[in-house]
Amino acid sequence: RKEVEQDPGPFNVPEGATVAFNCTYSNSASQSFFWYRQDCRKEPKLLMSVYSSGNEDGRFTAQLNRASQYISLLIRDSKLSDSATYLCVVNREGAQKLVFGQGTRLTINP
Amino acid sequence: NAGVTQTPKFRILKIGQSMTLQCTQDMNHNYMYWYRQDPGMGLKLIYYSVGAGITDKGEVPNGYNVSRSTTEDFPLRLELAAPSQTSVYFCASSAQGAYNEQFFGPGTRLTVL
Repeated sequence: RKEVEQDPGPFNVPEGATVAFNCTYSNSASQSFFWYRQDCRKEPKLLMSVYSSGNEDGRFTAQLNRASQYISLLIRDSKLSDSATYLCVVNREGAQKLVFGQGTRLTINP
Repeated sequence: NAGVTQTPKFRILKIGQSMTLQCTQDMNHNYMYWYRQDPGMGLKLIYYSVGAGITDKGEVPNGYNVSRSTTEDFPLRLELAAPSQTSVYFCASSAQGAYNEQFFGPGTRLTVL
């Protein structure tokens, strides 16, 4: 089983729709959780950290379910500019290393 | 404040050649990382460093070497390049390791023929 698993997609949704991704992780000791965004042929950039209580940043909401070991990302009122690959990221071995999922590719259609 | 810079942006190597990928950060971060990303895949950790003079292996270190003589610089050395090392290489830095944001450089696209 992979340490971090994501559905690679692609997800094709119309502009204005709500879309949700899940990500599962295998290490129950993980403490840091993130969603990164990667545009085509660019470097990953932090979208948001994921906190135990859940957190929201504008149209984006992230949730953590420790019992079931999954993280979710919800995008409301999707925009064309949301088209990207979304990487689920979890820490391994305490403070030093991160593990990246393979990413979920999202395309927003006009 | 340039963040994380990488050179070169692109490189084509012949099998058996060697090269060094340069990475510099100006944020005074202790933690630095080298990843590779193959098409359609996530990032895999090659080497990392928690401070000047300290380096350690990641998931896929074979065929690579690193050094960290200063806080700012973290070069990655490829010895005897092989086609399996064709990939995009990203350098990243972080103030607190895996507990907060990693800042990535723009990447180096390497092809080994």
